[in-house]
Amino acid sequence: EAGVAQSPRYKIIEKRQSVAFWCNPISGHATLYWYQQILGQGPKLLIQFQNNGVVDDSQLPKDRFSAERLKGVDSTLKIQPAKLEDSAVYLCASTYGAGSLDNSPLHFGNGTRLTVT
Amino acid sequence: AQSVTQLDSHVSVSEGTPVLLRCNYSSSYSPSLFWYVQHPNKGLQLLLKYTSAATLVKGINGFEAEFKKSETSFHLTKPSAHMSDAAEYFCVSRSTGNQFYFGTGTSLTVIP
Repeated sequence: EAGVAQSPRYKIIEKRQSVAFWCNPISGHATLYWYQQILGQGPKLLIQFQNNGVVDDSQLPKDRFSAERLKGVDSTLKIQPAKLEDSAVYLCASTYGAGSLDNSPLHFGNGTRLTVT
Repeated sequence: AQSVTQLDSHVSVSEGTPVLLRCNYSSSYSPSLFWYVQHPNKGLQLLLKYTSAATLVKGINGFEAEFKKSETSFHLTKPSAHMSDAAEYFCVSRSTGNQFYFGTGTSLTVIP
């Protein structure tokens, strides 16, 4: 099966600019996640979608970050305006997410490395 | 609440010697548990998963892990380290609500 696709792989922007990341999950995966991974740390959940609805966005800095998954398939994550501390790798992941008995793993894309200067 | 604790932030082994990366979980029930590996500039790759079937789970690249309920542990092992095993390893648990809980990671160094 095709894996989780993310683009771009790398992005360099200046602070206060905007940036968008795109993710296409594995076909049939209902649940999609965006994680932020700062160098030397583990992934931090930003937002979790179930189909096109938001399940958890408690750690998303909503004054500058937004995400959508309009048709329940691919998703975009946007930062506007970017700050220096947003420099990180942004990972998209998906899982089957069929219900409470589902125990399938997360499948990750290769991530987008963002550098804010 | 669920959580996982990786007991070592850094592990260093010589090539050809055994690898042990330790993970303890906290849950009121037997969770689904996973080990992931992350090589530099790559996404996280699934090594193996425990989903309440056999307690000894075999994964890719010669890794395996044993689920021990009495010790609430899910340690990752490999009999003989290879240079290509040098990477960051994450222990992860899954709740019934499709929520995943990450350990803080263990950096494995393999000395030639």
